Amino acid sequence: GENVEQHPSTLSVQEGDSAVIKCTYSDSASNYFPWYKQELGKRPQLIIDIRSNVGEKKDQRIAVTLNKTAKHFSLHITETQPEDSAVYFCAASGAGSYQLTFGKGTKLSVIP
Amino acid sequence: EAGVAQSPRYKIIEKRQSVAFWCNPISGHATLYWYQQILGQGPKLLIQFQNNGVVDDSQLPKDRFSAERLKGVDSTLKIQPAKLEDSAVYLCASSLVGGAGFYNEQFFGPGTRLTVL
Repeated sequence: GENVEQHPSTLSVQEGDSAVIKCTYSDSASNYFPWYKQELGKRPQLIIDIRSNVGEKKDQRIAVTLNKTAKHFSLHITETQPEDSAVYFCAASGAGSYQLTFGKGTKLSVIP
Repeated sequence: EAGVAQSPRYKIIEKRQSVAFWCNPISGHATLYWYQQILGQGPKLLIQFQNNGVVDDSQLPKDRFSAERLKGVDSTLKIQPAKLEDSAVYLCASSLVGGAGFYNEQFFGPGTRLTVL
């Protein structure tokens, strides 16, 4: 089955700096890659996703890049703000299954 | 629109007891998922339903876990008997049915935090 590795497990940045979280996946057939943000004690919420026919996608301060050859994808957050502090999960879904395999998460702390 | 509802929000039980969780998905969402999220880890899929049929339950520990989705709407997840390692947050999620490789966002409920003593 699919295996998703996520790094780093914790990340601290100064407010205004950029943050990058990286994930690798094992199943070359996976073709959907969402990112979820989970604040303490709350439900995961989708913040951005990318499909395998696209190399990069941006939404305001958030961007995701995908390298299918290397089987890795990354989340980029620019101009970080304290409210960006949360745990971020990457996930991958195989062709036709619509099931998500999640990484272990990255705890992002933005220091004011 | 109303989100995914789950109850109870918290449950504390002794090991070897039984427990049940309830989920009401977003109206019109045919696909329903149950995840187990152990502290410090990402959600792990336990079972996926499409309408009232099971799509995948390969990661459900069937000797103690069971789930059903009668009438293709609400779902219940049961653990009997519970073990210490079942302590986790149980998340329910729902999505529209995908087709021809089109993925729909999974919307998560608030989860049920289970503590097994």
